[in-house]
Amino acid sequence: NAGVTQTPKFQVLKTGQSMTLQCAQDMNHNSMYWYRQDPGMGLRLIYYSASEGTTDKGEVPNGYNVSRLNKREFSLRLESAAPSQTSVYFCASRETSSYEQYFGPGTRLTVT
Amino acid sequence: GQSLEQPSEVTAVEGAIVQINCTYQTSGFYGLSWYQQHDGGAPTFLSYNALDGLEETGRFSSFLSRSDSYGYLLLQELQMKDSASYFCAVRNNAGNNRKLIWGLGTSLAVNP
Repeated sequence: NAGVTQTPKFQVLKTGQSMTLQCAQDMNHNSMYWYRQDPGMGLRLIYYSASEGTTDKGEVPNGYNVSRLNKREFSLRLESAAPSQTSVYFCASRETSSYEQYFGPGTRLTVT
Repeated sequence: GQSLEQPSEVTAVEGAIVQINCTYQTSGFYGLSWYQQHDGGAPTFLSYNALDGLEETGRFSSFLSRSDSYGYLLLQELQMKDSASYFCAVRNNAGNNRKLIWGLGTSLAVNP
């Protein structure tokens, strides 16, 4: 099992460019999450998906959109990147009956 | 507002015991989780407490007092590999999405 995978690992964007961060899990989990982590900070929830076909906003959804393509995949899109979106982005998944979230390796995004 | 407080840094020596405290103020409370994150890595789950008391898993234990809005993570027989950041996170809703509010993390340095 690969667990939770994320692509790309690193990305540099110019202000105003768009991109999609990909996340996939092979553990058959229903719930998936997108977080951002800024230096010296905890994780802040951007969006989550409790099950295939549903998505909901977290604490900091502005400037982002998500798609739960199927049970395995949950993508995060930045339509018009801004320097304030420079961060490390983590995707996570969770089995319905568990409290444990499994995290991917992260995408390090820099917006100049 | 909602907040979690934990010390920003803790230093200890190999073989020692260290306690990382977490106090929380949230609109609801259903459980306290602890995660470990090594530099540049993904957070990994350590423990979850929903009820008062101590949960032990090997060298790590976690304690919760709901009446005091307080918990701690206890690390025994410290090893160099325990140098990492430790995050407490509160589940503040009863929904199945199991969203978490995260503390800012405690950076633990274990010295020889």
